[in-house]
Amino acid sequence: KQEVTQIPAALSVPEGENLVLNCSFTDSAIYNLQWFRQDPGKGLTSLLLIQSSQREQTSGRLNASLDKSSGRSTLYIAASQPGDSATYLCAVTAGGNKLTFGTGTQLKVEL
Amino acid sequence: DAGVIQSPRHEVTEMGQEVTLRCKPISGHDYLFWYRQTMMRGLELLIYFNNNVPIDDSGMPEDRFSAKMPNASFSTLKIQPSEPRDSAVYFCASSSFTGTPYGYTFGSGTRLTVV
Repeated sequence: KQEVTQIPAALSVPEGENLVLNCSFTDSAIYNLQWFRQDPGKGLTSLLLIQSSQREQTSGRLNASLDKSSGRSTLYIAASQPGDSATYLCAVTAGGNKLTFGTGTQLKVEL
Repeated sequence: DAGVIQSPRHEVTEMGQEVTLRCKPISGHDYLFWYRQTMMRGLELLIYFNNNVPIDDSGMPEDRFSAKMPNASFSTLKIQPSEPRDSAVYFCASSSFTGTPYGYTFGSGTRLTVV
């Protein structure tokens, strides 16, 4: 059974700092990995999707990398802003096209 | 496209009542998923459909839960009878890996409270 772990569970940083969120998964036979953002009381917003054949994806200040062999992904956020405060979830897709989610990292960016 | 649309946004019901949650996926997406989110268990997959056909319902907690997808633009998740432990946020998502938007798109969720 696929298990997805995210470290740290919570993170607080000052505005402007670069930061890295970590995601690990136990079964490396994945089709893709997707990072989501969830604001309190809201739904999930897709940030980046990395297919199994790719190593990384970039969107603005966000960069996500994938190392399938080691079962790891990182989400790099450059020059963090208070508006980046949210819970970040990674999820992997294996057989059947269904997502298995990690427990999330709660990020707070302080002024 | 307006994205994945769920209704209602909030539902408060008494224990024992029937609850029906609704979802309209993104047009052209061929997969539809129902997830449940709680503080204790995080996001759990309940059931998913491919081309309107249920593929995997192993996450449905018990027979009180049922889901249907009568056509490509509509799905329901029904709980009958409801219990306080069913209180959670229920998300619907749709996905496509041939069209747009590519990947998974989630609705805003239905917050269910059973008292």
